[in-house]
Amino acid sequence: EVQLVESGGGLVQSGRSLRLSCTASGFTFNNYAMYWVRQAPGKGLEWVSGISWNSGNIGYADSVKGRFTISRDNTKNSLYLQMNSLRAEDTALYYCAKDRGPYGSGLDHWGQGTLVTVSS
Amino acid sequence: DIQLTQSPSFLSASVGDRVTITCRASQGIRTYLAWYQQKPGKAPKFLIYDASTLQSGVPSRFSGSGSGTEFTLTISSLQPEDFATYYCQQLNSYSYTFGQGTKLEIK
Repeated sequence: EVQLVESGGGLVQSGRSLRLSCTASGFTFNNYAMYWVRQAPGKGLEWVSGISWNSGNIGYADSVKGRFTISRDNTKNSLYLQMNSLRAEDTALYYCAKDRGPYGSGLDHWGQGTLVTVSS
Repeated sequence: DIQLTQSPSFLSASVGDRVTITCRASQGIRTYLAWYQQKPGKAPKFLIYDASTLQSGVPSRFSGSGSGTEFTLTISSLQPEDFATYYCQQLNSYSYTFGQGTKLEIK
């Protein structure tokens, strides 16, 4: 069974940093692209960042470009999101999600999310 | 970035109805489109990829179509468990944007 477990969320002051982690199990992690998607309270889904199976293809939403960095460690079956210069508008539930393939073809499994609250 | 616009944003329907949700892309994305269903307090569920391919385990009353800039998600006969919010997502090029969502409510 595929499992994605996010951690690292919490309450942080504006301008500070936070690092999210996602631990994967139940599939061959290094065969699949991975993503971070967020959802602000009461709002829709926002794609944040993605990374291909071998870290060769990485992308960011304009809203986080230059502040957030995605990475993965295939030896630890883990995905990360380093979030710097946090703003109030980054407050959201952050989901880790798995692609159905090595590059973008659809997010077939999602974690339950970790909540990030940025206080101003 | 490619923008996706879903219509309608809200839809009221009854059990047994056939409903269609439209997703329009600001530029051509071939068939690199996925659909998701989300219920309150839950993570999204993957329904359709490549615009029209049903994910394993998804009921056949769901179907998708389209290519280029216009896509549709159709539910042929609404069931009580289908009342939820639906999102489209383009995977043609980073960033892999989502539509704003369509909330499907019980009439």
